[in-house]
Amino acid sequence: AAGVIQSPRHLIKEKRETATLKCYPIPRHDTVYWYQQGPGQDPQFLISFYEKMQSDKGSIPDRFSAQQFSDYHSELNMSSLELGDSALYFCASSLGGTGGRDFGQGTRLTVV
Amino acid sequence: GQNIDQPTEMTATEGAIVQINCTYQTSGFNGLFWYQQHAGEAPTFLSYNVLDGLEEKGRFSSFLSRSKGYSYLLLKELQMKDSASYLCAVRDEDGTDKLIFGTGTRLQVFP
Repeated sequence: AAGVIQSPRHLIKEKRETATLKCYPIPRHDTVYWYQQGPGQDPQFLISFYEKMQSDKGSIPDRFSAQQFSDYHSELNMSSLELGDSALYFCASSLGGTGGRDFGQGTRLTVV
Repeated sequence: GQNIDQPTEMTATEGAIVQINCTYQTSGFNGLFWYQQHAGEAPTFLSYNVLDGLEEKGRFSSFLSRSKGYSYLLLKELQMKDSASYLCAVRDEDGTDKLIFGTGTRLQVFP
């Protein structure tokens, strides 16, 4: 069965650069959640979208923005990158906002 | 505030049974998830409880008591591959159903 697809799997950026992470939810899923997991930390909720509209906002910095497109894929845009942004970024999807039990493989972002 | 507590680390022997506890204090509750996560990999769904009681799925079982704000994950017949972090997550009830994760329990299984 198709799972949540994230790209790229690994990304290395320099400070103050920008990065765009992509998430392709499971087919027919209409809700996407973004989580950030720092080294040794638990996943922290960043933002979610339901039917292409932002549904909730967590601890997402103002330097980050995200959107969900008509095909339900989502992109997380990160600007003015800082060393502390280095983390695993997970996307999860669900149908009808059931909490996102299916996670993508994540994007490991390293800011140098 | 939102607070989900789990032991930081646990160790067990191959073939044994281990119970990982999770206590939570959240503003809303709409179900509790358990995930397994190997280092650097995505969380993998294990179980979901929304009503009190025990849910069994093969070697893994999960229990929930909503009145006590308490859950546990029971792993039987431990295998080396069960060495991983186990995350307890509560689904919020604010209309968006985001997950609030606990700190995770790192389980090491020894031969």
